[in-house]
Amino acid sequence: QKEVEQDPGPLSVPEGAIVSLNCTYSNSAFQYFMWYRQYSRKGPELLMYTYSSGNKEDGRFTAQVDKSSKYISLFIRDSQPSDSATYLCAMSARSGGSYIPTFGRGTSLIVHP
Amino acid sequence: SAVISQKPSRDICQRGTSLTIQCQVDSQVTMMFWYRQQPGQSLTLIATANQGSEATYESGFVIDKFPISRPNLTFSTLTVSNMSPEDSSIYLCSVGIAGTDTQYFGPGTRLTVL
Repeated sequence: QKEVEQDPGPLSVPEGAIVSLNCTYSNSAFQYFMWYRQYSRKGPELLMYTYSSGNKEDGRFTAQVDKSSKYISLFIRDSQPSDSATYLCAMSARSGGSYIPTFGRGTSLIVHP
Repeated sequence: SAVISQKPSRDICQRGTSLTIQCQVDSQVTMMFWYRQQPGQSLTLIATANQGSEATYESGFVIDKFPISRPNLTFSTLTVSNMSPEDSSIYLCSVGIAGTDTQYFGPGTRLTVL
């Protein structure tokens, strides 16, 4: 079993839909949870960053962490064609002050007009 | 945040040759990382490059195949040596920002080995 599982998709939704992207993990030591967005032929860019359990909201994006279920989600409200990209979850357990996350394989999202 | 550039952005190389990828950051950073991203796969960490010390390689990656230099706090290079088609991938450098537990990525180098 991989440490981080993420469905690669693609996930295709109409413009304006609410999108739910998810990851599960097996390492209970993970404390830091991130979502990156990667457009085609670009490097990943950090979207959301949360520590431990709970929700975090930033505009149309909400990140949710449920440590008891080892499950994290990213919700996108009022999705736009410009949201079409690959979304990677990442998580880490700080070790000795260094930060080396484990990434999911990414979910490809397509928002069609 | 940090602005990161990589050169080249893409290259097509012949089997058996080597390619050196450059990574430049617009600010001084302690930790730099090199990743490989193969189609449909997650980011795989190759090595951590800290200035003034030898790079630390992850399991499955060795210095002879992926030598790394880190001459100062804003620059690093990764060489992919004696390339084979299996090395075709996107290579990404990233930097860790102290106190934020986040990484910022460069745009990547798309390598195709024939």
